[in-house]
Parts: sequence; C-alpha cells; structure tokens
Amino acid sequence: AQKVTQAQTEISVVEKEDVTLDCVYETRDTTYYLFWYKQPPSGELVFLIRRNSFDEQNEISGRYSWNFQKSTSSFNFTITASQVVDSAVYFCALSEGGYSTLTFGKGTMLLVSP
Amino acid sequence: GAVVSQHPSWVICKSGTSVKIECRSLDFQATTMFWYRQFPKQSLMLMATSNEGSKATYEQGVEKDKFLINHASLTLSTLTVTSAHPEDSSFYICSASQGEHYEQYFGPGTRLTVT
Repeated sequence: AQKVTQAQTEISVVEKEDVTLDCVYETRDTTYYLFWYKQPPSGELVFLIRRNSFDEQNEISGRYSWNFQKSTSSFNFTITASQVVDSAVYFCALSEGGYSTLTFGKGTMLLVSP
Repeated sequence: GAVVSQHPSWVICKSGTSVKIECRSLDFQATTMFWYRQFPKQSLMLMATSNEGSKATYEQGVEKDKFLINHASLTLSTLTVTSAHPEDSSFYICSASQGEHYEQYFGPGTRLTVT
C-alpha cells in the first residue's frame, strides 16, 4: 500500500531563512508520481511540482527546489530566502502506477514571520 | 487551461437539511472526478471517485447514502450531503481528471457549516 509521511507538523522561520520540508514515501510500484501542493489560508490547493519515478534530477524553480532521492524514498522541498507569503500548509502526495488517485501526506504548516 | 470550479464556495445549512455542491471542469472533459473532505488542520481524505456515467466508488467508511455523488456529464459532478449534521461541517474539495492515467486538477473547495 502507498503511504506518504511528512514528519514535520509545523515549522516556524523568520523571513529570509531557508527551510526544507521533508517527505518520505512508500510504494511497491516502480512507476509512480510525486507531487507537492501549497494550501494557503484561502484553502485552494496550488500545484507546485510533479515528478515521475524515473526522473531523479533535482529541480529548481525560482526560490523553490526539490530533491528526489529514490535510495531513501524521499522527495524534499526547500524554500530559499523564505517570505511571509510562503506561509501555508504544504502537502506531499503520491500517485502509484500512473493512475491519478492521490495519497496525501498529513501536511506541514509553514509559518514565516517578518 | 485545466480550470476546475466549485459552487458554492461556502454554505451554511441547518441540521437535517440537504446541500448540493457542484464541481465543474471549465476547459476540459473530466472523465474522472474525485471528492475529498478536509477537516481543520488535517489532510485531504478521499471520499469517492466517480467516472462519467457510472456509479461512484466510495472509500471505506464513507456512507454512500449520505454523500450522494452524481457525475452525469463530462464537465459536471455533484456531491449532495443528505440530512446534514454538524459533524459533516468540513471543507469539501473536488478534483477532475481526463482519465485514470491523467493528472488531477483541483477546485477551490467548498466550506460547509451545518448549524
């Protein structure tokens, strides 16, 4: 069965600090997709990234970067020079076997203070 | 592209009444739609998956007679919470996909409060 673990329930940082959100997954499939979503206080899920199991290249998008390591079944997300607008709940999710059904982690609430 | 809307964005209803939530894919045909429920400070829990023209598949523990899902067209799915009670108060989120092997696009969510 698939499982996603986000061990950090809540993280508080001061603006401009770098912060890493951890995500560990479990799956028996060799083909799967990993996602990160942002959920601001408004509630709407914002898609951040999708990565398939065959692409272990790290990705950078502006202040955001993702580190995918199959050896440790982790897909960690780093925000560089955090800003107050980054305050939100961040969810890591897994989709097995190319199917669209998603399993979400419990989420990490990030609070960035000025 | 890939926009999903939900209506209403928030609703307050009295205990014992029913409330219907609509989920629409605005610019693509959604063969598959998903309904999630999210309680405060918790993760999204999948309630059911519906394929256009078929009966919905409910997750374990979700009462199918209480949460009626209809996916009658490729752009619209509805969730009806029947005989709502305060414990049904939650944030309901739908998502739509072009099929089983395609990505989900999420709606903005509907906040339901049952008084």
